[in-house]
Amino acid sequence: GQNIDQPTEMTATEGAIVQINCTYQTSGFNGLFWYQQHAGEAPTFLSYNVLDGLEEKGRFSSFLSRSKGYSYLLLKELQMKDSASYLCAGPSGTYKYIFGTGTRLKVLA
Amino acid sequence: DTGVSQDPRHKITKRGQNVTFRCDPISEHNRLYWYRQTLGQGPEFLTYFQNEAQLEKSRLLSDRFSAERPKGSFSTLEIQRTEQGDSAMYLCASSQTWGNTDTQYFGPGTRLTVL
Repeated sequence: GQNIDQPTEMTATEGAIVQINCTYQTSGFNGLFWYQQHAGEAPTFLSYNVLDGLEEKGRFSSFLSRSKGYSYLLLKELQMKDSASYLCAGPSGTYKYIFGTGTRLKVLA
Repeated sequence: DTGVSQDPRHKITKRGQNVTFRCDPISEHNRLYWYRQTLGQGPEFLTYFQNEAQLEKSRLLSDRFSAERPKGSFSTLEIQRTEQGDSAMYLCASSQTWGNTDTQYFGPGTRLTVL
């Protein structure tokens, strides 16, 4: 089947590091995406991995292991504004993309 | 503003009425996607256009839903005979392929409430 799994909720403290995991089973793999979505707003693009390994972009990094069907998003030096849902998404077939249900991250002071 | 725009941002309608939403993608993007999102869920794929051709349509999309992209620029999504279960956020996204990359950029969404 084609499925993306990620934890429903996570809580972390301001200034800390948090890792959000995503496992997937999708066909026609052509990259894995991470999006951030604040409540009531549209998703915004964070990162894209097509090769194995770590991609770093400021406070955010994303990792991919294609053989394990596994990715994670690493957020460093957490800020209150990082409280949001984080969506993992991947291709399912030629044109279709599927999204996970999202991980709601709460950053506490 | 050169991002994806959607109109209207909010729509309240009575059950049984027809509604139409519009999406204007980023101008140089040839790919356009429609998604539906309900509370606590990720976006759910509805349909995909490459230029003016509709190349993929979700099996979840009933006959009451239709989408067009007549000139390969803006797109419309119409829902006929709306039902309460259609209440959701309808998101449009656009992208342009560079090599293996197909990064989608989302519009602000149209929130539909069916009474």
